[in-house]
Amino acid sequence: DAGITQSPRYKITETGRQVTLMCHQTWSHSYMFWYRQDLGHGLRLIYYSAAADITDKGEVPDGYVVSRSKTENFPLTLESATRSQTSVYFCASSEWTGYNSPLHFGNGTRLTVT
Amino acid sequence: AQKITQTQPGMFVQEKEAVTLDCTYDTSDQSYGLFWYKQPSSGEMIFLIYQGSYDEQNATEGRYSLNFQKARKSANLVISASQLGDSAMYFCAMREGGKLIFGTGTRLQVFP
Repeated sequence: DAGITQSPRYKITETGRQVTLMCHQTWSHSYMFWYRQDLGHGLRLIYYSAAADITDKGEVPDGYVVSRSKTENFPLTLESATRSQTSVYFCASSEWTGYNSPLHFGNGTRLTVT
Repeated sequence: AQKITQTQPGMFVQEKEAVTLDCTYDTSDQSYGLFWYKQPSSGEMIFLIYQGSYDEQNATEGRYSLNFQKARKSANLVISASQLGDSAMYFCAMREGGKLIFGTGTRLQVFP
C-alpha cells in the first residue's frame, strides 16, 4: 500500500552510539520532513528537504544529520546519541511546498537513549 | 515568539455536544495555510482540515469546521456532535515558507 513508512517503530540505544531512523515514501513527494515530539513542545522541525540532495535545517537541528540521495528516502542519523534526544520522531512528506499542501505523516519512531 | 498558540492544554466535552479548540497564529506573510491534525492515543498524526489565508469561507469537513478570523489571527477548530472516538490530542499548525509549524496541542476528552 502506498504511503510513508518509518522504521524501526521502537529503538533503544545507549548514549554515544550512532543510530539511524529510516523514512520511505511511495508517493514521489518532493518535500520531506523530520519532526520530534516531546511533551509540552508539540512537534518541532529538525530538518526538511525540498528534493533529492537538497536539505535544510529546521528549528532543532543540533545533533542530527540527514541525507537525501533518493527522492523516496530521507534517513535521520543521530551521530552520538544523548539522553535529551529521547523522543518520538515523525517523518512526513508533502507533494509540493505550497501553503495549501498538507503534510502526511508516518507512524513515528519511539527512540529511547539510555 | 510563538508562531502558533494553543492556550487550552486540556478540554472536556460531553458526548454529542459541540466543542471549540482555540488556535491563534502569528505571521507577516500574506499567503499561508492553517491545518488541524488529530493524534489519537495510538500515536499517528491524522490530517483533519485546512484553511487558506485567502479563503473567504470557513473550511468544513464533516463534523469538523474551522472558524477562521483573519483579522484576529485565529483559526479555531469546531467539532460538532462529539463522539467518544474524538478523544485525542489536537494540533493546530501553520504552513509558511514551506515549513509546517505546530502549536503545543490540546488534549480533548469526550465523556459519555
